[in-house]
Formats: sequence, C-alpha cells, structure tokens
Amino acid sequence: EPEVTQTPSHQVTQMGQEVILRCVPISNHLYFYWYRQILGQKVEFLVSFYNNEISEKSEIFDDQFSVERPDGSNFTLKIRSTKLEDSAMYFCASSEGASGLTYEQYFGPGTRLTVT
Amino acid sequence: TQLLEQSPQFLSIQEGENLTVYCNSSSVFSSLQWYRQEPGEGPVLLVTVVTGGEVKKLKRLTFQFGDARKDSSLHITAAQPGDTGLYLCAGADQGAQKLVFGQGTRLTINP
Repeated sequence: EPEVTQTPSHQVTQMGQEVILRCVPISNHLYFYWYRQILGQKVEFLVSFYNNEISEKSEIFDDQFSVERPDGSNFTLKIRSTKLEDSAMYFCASSEGASGLTYEQYFGPGTRLTVT
Repeated sequence: TQLLEQSPQFLSIQEGENLTVYCNSSSVFSSLQWYRQEPGEGPVLLVTVVTGGEVKKLKRLTFQFGDARKDSSLHITAAQPGDTGLYLCAGADQGAQKLVFGQGTRLTINP
C-alpha cells in the first residue's frame, strides 16, 4: 500500500543551525502538507503546497521556514536558524485532492527534531 | 479560530466493554477525519465522514458525523487490548486546506 515516507527519523541540531526535513509523498497525490507536534500537545498545521506553490500557511510558518519540491518526488521543509522551541515531531502529509474524500490526508511517520 | 475538543482525554476500561469518544466544535466542518496515533509515530487514518448524519463502520468501530457537521463520535463495541492508543479527530474546512486537530483521547483497554 502506498505510504508517505520521511527522512531522517530523528535529527539533532544545535540552536542557530539550518535543518532540512525530507518527505516523499504518495505518488499520485497533488497536495502536500507539513504539520508539527510538540511533545504532549496537539498536531498543528504549518503549511500546504499545491502546484509548486504555498497554498496556505499558519502563523507558525514565518520567514524561518520554507518548503520546496525540488524534483518530482521529494517535498522538503527547511528551518533556518533553529530555536529551542522548534523541537517537535514534524509530520509530512499528502492528499489526492482538496475536497470530499479526495481530501483524505495521509501522514508519514514523522521526523523528531531536537534542538540543543 | 476553529477548535475541536475531544472528550474524555483519558479513558481506561476493561476488555469487552463498550465506549464512546466525542469530538465537538462550535464550527462547521466540510469533513472530519479520525486517526489513531501510536507513540513516536504518525497519525494513521481510520475513516473520513463527509455528510451530516453519516455513519461509518470499521469492524467494531462506529463513526458518526453530527447532523450539523459540528461534532462526531467514535463508538467501540467489545473493546480489545489491541484498541489501546491515541485517537485523534481532525476537521477540514471547505475554504481551507489545513486540518484542525483535537487534543486526542488516550484509550487504554485492560485485559
């Protein structure tokens, strides 16, 4: 069964460093998303991406963050100058479409980011 | 701001009992998805409900979307230890692409 994959599973970085989290969405899906989950808290939406551009972003997704689809399969989240409060699980998700049942979002296993 | 509140937050019951988990909001959603999440893993989609009043069954799990599309419930019949986990509801707004998540219900089924 097709699934979303993410690498790495765990990333440790020092405060101020840049990190790139990678995702391979399900191959026939057109919409891509990043969410994060701080330990013990709700899953929070960061950004959605469609047709090679950001279609929606939350207030969390500030200039520190960027997303890119560098080729036909990968979808990346870059965090510039990481802060301690960026420590969280980051989930990539994808969906076939944007309405009804095609909107079903499928999540990857996550990347645990630890900023020290 | 759209919010989804799940209740109860924690539930511990004995194997064989029935239970219901609720997901409530003051906002209308175009669809609502239920996920199950294991520790350290991503949410796994269980079901999507789209139509007000819709009922979907997945083996011993029954999901219902409220008539007004503001709330949903998950009912488990004859719970088993394998049902133990964190259950999340997430709502989608017609005008937006993001999912709004509830805080989850942590379910423990004791043998």
